[in-house]
Amino acid sequence: AQSVTQLGSHVSVSEGALVLLRCNYSSSVPPYLFWYVQYPNQGLQLLLKYTTGATLVKGINGFEAEFKKSETSFHLTKPSAHMSDAAEYFCAVSDGNKLVFGAGTILRVKS
Amino acid sequence: DTAVSQTPKYLVTQMGNDKSIKCEQNLGHDTMYWYKQDSKKFLKIMFSYNNKELIINETVPNRFSPKSPDKAHLNLHINSLELGDSAVYFCASSQNSGNTIYFGEGSWLTVV
Repeated sequence: AQSVTQLGSHVSVSEGALVLLRCNYSSSVPPYLFWYVQYPNQGLQLLLKYTTGATLVKGINGFEAEFKKSETSFHLTKPSAHMSDAAEYFCAVSDGNKLVFGAGTILRVKS
Repeated sequence: DTAVSQTPKYLVTQMGNDKSIKCEQNLGHDTMYWYKQDSKKFLKIMFSYNNKELIINETVPNRFSPKSPDKAHLNLHINSLELGDSAVYFCASSQNSGNTIYFGEGSWLTVV
């Protein structure tokens, strides 16, 4: 079965600093990978996804992620954090007919 | 228009009661899901339906019964509610299994 590990349950950055949220996956087949964001008391919004093709994927709100097969990683980055990026971020891998989620990383942005 | 909508958004009820959460999607997708997010924010699939047929039924108590009257609707009925059922329940949909899943806004269930 596929699985996802998100390193760091909490990440704190200053406004304007680089955001790096880590995700490693385990998959027996070529994975489909996703990042979702959840703002307080809201649902999950898709940030970006990797299926096939280009390994650097660009998403909404200036986020991007790079699929690295050799490292089994799909880390999420954003060059410059904004206060509005404060939320919880979930990495997920497609496992047949469902998504398997990581435990989530709460991003805090300091002014 | 909301793509995946679920009602109610907030529900507070007593132990032992029966409650339902309704979900509708207007994306034309053929697969719908129920996910549960527990108090630690961990997300886990409960059920999945494809064209009204149950295709995923994780280890969920029998007190939880999904019903899909048509492709656009997937309701969740919960009998004899317990304290441990308190969670956020997310409805979601996708076009074919394995594709991007779109989530509703969630239903916050509190059992007292």
